[in-house]
Amino acid sequence: NAGVTQTPKFQVLKTGQSMTLQCAQDMNHNSMYWYRQDPGMGLRLIYYSASEGTTDKGEVPNGYNVSRLNKREFSLRLESAAPSQTSVYFCASRDREVTGTGELFFGEGSRLTVL
Amino acid sequence: QQQVKQSPQSLIVQKGGISIINCAYENTAFDYFPWYQQFPGKGPALLIAIRPDVSEKKEGRFTISFNKSAKQFSLHIMDSQPGDSATYFCAAPRSGNKLVFGAGTILRVKS
Repeated sequence: NAGVTQTPKFQVLKTGQSMTLQCAQDMNHNSMYWYRQDPGMGLRLIYYSASEGTTDKGEVPNGYNVSRLNKREFSLRLESAAPSQTSVYFCASRDREVTGTGELFFGEGSRLTVL
Repeated sequence: QQQVKQSPQSLIVQKGGISIINCAYENTAFDYFPWYQQFPGKGPALLIAIRPDVSEKKEGRFTISFNKSAKQFSLHIMDSQPGDSATYFCAAPRSGNKLVFGAGTILRVKS
């Protein structure tokens, strides 16, 4: 049981380049999330998807777009990367009806550096 | 706009000592207050969580204390061990199926 899988694990971009971070979960969870983690800032929510077919903005959505491709997959796209987007990105999923709790299950992260 | 305030930012504790991390939240729609633990290079993982209808929950060496009137909850790690060295995050629910995290506390347990 893989849980939440993120790709790539590491990426270096130049300013202005675009890229997509991929996330897939195999736990049949309805809700999926993208967070970024920066030193001293904790985990900040970028976008989330409460269920397949819906997406909504979190605390820091500017410069990002998301796609909930199906129930399993939730991708995060940087259209024109900026140095301020250098961060570690985490995908997470949860489903109270599946687990009985509000527990978030995280992937191992994608470390992105924008030069 | 910080909705969950966590303190301290970092903490050094001797092996066998008690580690205490505090969290204060603002008005939220809440039914669940978790603490997550993160080791270097890994994603956060749920450590322990409490519902607001109880004041304390204990799981092994880890205890959450919850003060609803003060809008605060804390994590106590008894008999702290070097293997407990990690970053700890508190979180509180927001409306719309969202979870807001504190800034994190880096715990180092010295052997």
